[in-house]
Amino acid sequence: QVQLQESGPGLVKPSETLSVTCTVSGGSLDGYYWSWVRQPPGKGLEWLGYVYFTGITNYNPSLESRISMSVDTSKNQFSLKLTSVTAADTALYFCARREWGDYWGQGILVTVSS
Amino acid sequence: IVLTQSPGTLSLSPGERATLSCRASQVLTSDYLAWYQQKPGQAPRLLISFASIRATGIPDRFSGSGSGTDFTLTISSLEPEDFAVYYCQQYGHSPLTFGGGTKVDI
Repeated sequence: QVQLQESGPGLVKPSETLSVTCTVSGGSLDGYYWSWVRQPPGKGLEWLGYVYFTGITNYNPSLESRISMSVDTSKNQFSLKLTSVTAADTALYFCARREWGDYWGQGILVTVSS
Repeated sequence: IVLTQSPGTLSLSPGERATLSCRASQVLTSDYLAWYQQKPGQAPRLLISFASIRATGIPDRFSGSGSGTDFTLTISSLEPEDFAVYYCQQYGHSPLTFGGGTKVDI
């Protein structure tokens, strides 16, 4: 059974960089796209982008100047970085397998506050 | 592509049939549309991919249909555990997008 688990700081200061890592167990990164989705408190889902196991990326244009994603196949992990964060980036951040999420992590709440 | 889900809220009773709509602003490539269920404090759960293919372990009371720009999720007979928020997502055109959600409540 494939399982995904997000990890990272739960609190980030404004203007700093948000970093979240997703660790995959029970399966390999190989052959799949790996997605990031966020959900502000009480709101809907927003697609952030995805990274292929080879490192090819596709980002949401609304965030393209601030976002980057990468994979580390040796650790079976993939990561999200979002720079210059503001309070509007406060959200539950989910990682998922595939462009349509057949497996999801439980999510990590990241709050942007000084 | 903008996905518009309707209604915003569906108030039904256990045993009733639920029909949820998702309308796309453009024709979707190869019916690349998914449906998810989300309960409070939980991650979304994939119900349907490619408009009509049930995900592993999803009960057959859930069915997806439609093509082009109009898609439907039907729950044939609501169970108590089905009361949740449902989202559609298109994944054929970048940027991928989600609908605003339909809340199914009692």
